[in-house]
Amino acid sequence: AQSVTQLGSHVSVSEGALVLLRCNYSSSVPPYLFWYVQYPNQGLQLLLKYTTGATLVKGINGFEAEFKKSETSFHLTKPSAHMSDAAEYFCAVSEGTGANNLFFGTGTRLTVIP
Amino acid sequence: EAGVAQSPRYKIIEKRQSVAFWCNPISGHATLYWYQQILGQGPKLLIQFQNNGVVDDSQLPKDRFSAERLKGVDSTLKIQPAKLEDSAVYLCASSLGLAGFRAYEQYFGPGTRLTVT
Repeated sequence: AQSVTQLGSHVSVSEGALVLLRCNYSSSVPPYLFWYVQYPNQGLQLLLKYTTGATLVKGINGFEAEFKKSETSFHLTKPSAHMSDAAEYFCAVSEGTGANNLFFGTGTRLTVIP
Repeated sequence: EAGVAQSPRYKIIEKRQSVAFWCNPISGHATLYWYQQILGQGPKLLIQFQNNGVVDDSQLPKDRFSAERLKGVDSTLKIQPAKLEDSAVYLCASSLGLAGFRAYEQYFGPGTRLTVT
């Protein structure tokens, strides 16, 4: 069975500072991993995904994440925060087989301080 | 291309009433998902369709929730009768299909916020 843990339900950073949102997963098989962003009153938008191949994946809006199998982690980073990055971020895992269901973490709300 | 459409965007009902939500996926997307997102939590899958067939409904409370996807395009999710704990955002998502990496790219609609009083 899969599960996702997002450390820190709220993260605040200053504009221009590094953004680091943490995600750890558990999976019985090699996972597929995803980060989604949700702006207020909107649906979820895919930021980036890891399926196979290169473990450092780049996504939209300057975000990237690194799959570390030994640490069962998939942390999301951005070198310099922008005010428009303020949103809720969800990490998700899929087994990558069968019905490809996504299991989501509880989310991290990012606040960017001017 | 047009995104996933959902209606209504907001709904307020009293407990024991019934409610229905509608979803129109992205054209050509064979797989459709309904998620429930309770405040402060991540989305939880309720039901997944492949064309007009159910792939997974193991998390759907079947005593009160039902869903259908006639003709393999639009879908409706119904709750009857509603309980207070059903207050949540109901998200619809679609993807190209079950096979291949693109299958894991789920596109979400804006959701329907349900308040049960």
